[in-house]
Amino acid sequence: DIVMTQSPLSLPVTPGEPASISCRSSQSLQRSNGDNFLDWYLQKPGQSPQLLIYLGSTRASGVPDRFSGSGSGTDFTLKISRVEAEDVGVYYCMQAHQAPRTFGQGTRVEIK
Amino acid sequence: QVRLQASGPGLVKPSETLSLTCSVSGGSSSRHCWTWNRQPPGKGLEFIAYICNDGNTNYNPSLENRVTVSADTSKTQISLQVTSVTAADTAVYYCARLAIPPSGTYHVHDYWGQGILVTVSP
Repeated sequence: DIVMTQSPLSLPVTPGEPASISCRSSQSLQRSNGDNFLDWYLQKPGQSPQLLIYLGSTRASGVPDRFSGSGSGTDFTLKISRVEAEDVGVYYCMQAHQAPRTFGQGTRVEIK
Repeated sequence: QVRLQASGPGLVKPSETLSLTCSVSGGSSSRHCWTWNRQPPGKGLEFIAYICNDGNTNYNPSLENRVTVSADTSKTQISLQVTSVTAADTAVYYCARLAIPPSGTYHVHDYWGQGILVTVSP
């Protein structure tokens, strides 16, 4: 199985400040056409996860543009340009390159 | 509006079979698949299995010998069975829809159900 490793596991943030989460995979997630099979999900407190980013950098419908995804191969980053209070929760990266799909451990984002 | 509702017993005894149903409304077509993931208390997410509306299935090898996923003919009831459960199977179980998004090339989880907590205990 592909192992997904996120860092940090906990991220205290100040509203209005930027935040960044790293996700590394044990194998490349890039296909021959250049697509990276990597998603980011946010699980807000008490809720089910919701899709933020797919293909490593494409925002899902309705996701604010303060969220951005970047990276390729084995190294990926989720950035929030200016954190808002509603962004708190646990962020997960997930690879869809190889079965079985695997998730990172999660990064808990909380307001300082 | 797509809606997924998981249902089933919240308590299962060790060695018995866990059975859950995901009721789907508002969005099912031949392009969609349906997945079950789970989240043990305080832990991260784990893929269990998925089934596509064309009948294709895929299982997590770590659970494959105990898990069965199926769908009814209308593809609005997605079932999950896990046999010989132990305390390690205690988790919130989520069903979700898999769909290929705009400009996408693979299925993503675009809608999730609310999750159902299943506890394995005598």
